[in-house]
Amino acid sequence: SQTIHQWPATLVQPVGSPLSLECTVEGTSNPNLYWYRQAAGRGLQLLFYSVGIGQISSEVPQNLSASRPQDRQFILSSKKLLLSDSGFYLCAWKSVGTTRTEAFFGQGTRLTVV
Amino acid sequence: LAKTTQPISMDSYEGQEVNITCSHNNIATNDYITWYQQFPSQGPRFIIQGYKTKVTNEVASLFIPADRKSSTLSLPRVSLSDTAVYYCLVGDKAAGNKLTFGGGTRVLVKP
Repeated sequence: SQTIHQWPATLVQPVGSPLSLECTVEGTSNPNLYWYRQAAGRGLQLLFYSVGIGQISSEVPQNLSASRPQDRQFILSSKKLLLSDSGFYLCAWKSVGTTRTEAFFGQGTRLTVV
Repeated sequence: LAKTTQPISMDSYEGQEVNITCSHNNIATNDYITWYQQFPSQGPRFIIQGYKTKVTNEVASLFIPADRKSSTLSLPRVSLSDTAVYYCLVGDKAAGNKLTFGGGTRVLVKP
């Protein structure tokens, strides 16, 4: 069966520090991968998505970046965090080659920038 | 892009049926309609998916009219644990499998 791992669960970082959040998927090949951010009480904002290794689409201009060094690994990074980067970050995957929109989410990372 | 519009919030009481309607006027021919449920501090989880007419599973029913410009998620006999945010999502093949969520509907079930 397919599983998705996302870590860490919580993170407190000072302003200006770097960030690296990792997401890995097991049990599937060549998935679409997604990073979302959710501010408190708000909806899901799509940050990045990837349809293959090294292929990253950015949805919102910001100081975040994403990379996909391996088929089932998706990394969200920042060189210098801002207070506005605080939020709940979610990784998700979806099967490729279908218009069905069933995606599977990780448990999320609660990031607080102080 | 197939944008979706849902009510921001709904209140209900235990044991009642909750119906949430989502508008998606620009839905594409090949798009499916999917609903997710999200509890606080958790990732969304899939509830139900459909293309047309009616789909039912152990959790909910999904009603889709013939023109597919809207859909209604029906939660029968809700309990307090059904308090969550519900998202309607429409597949957008033209955008290369991008999954864009709307604001969702915050459902509060009261005792």
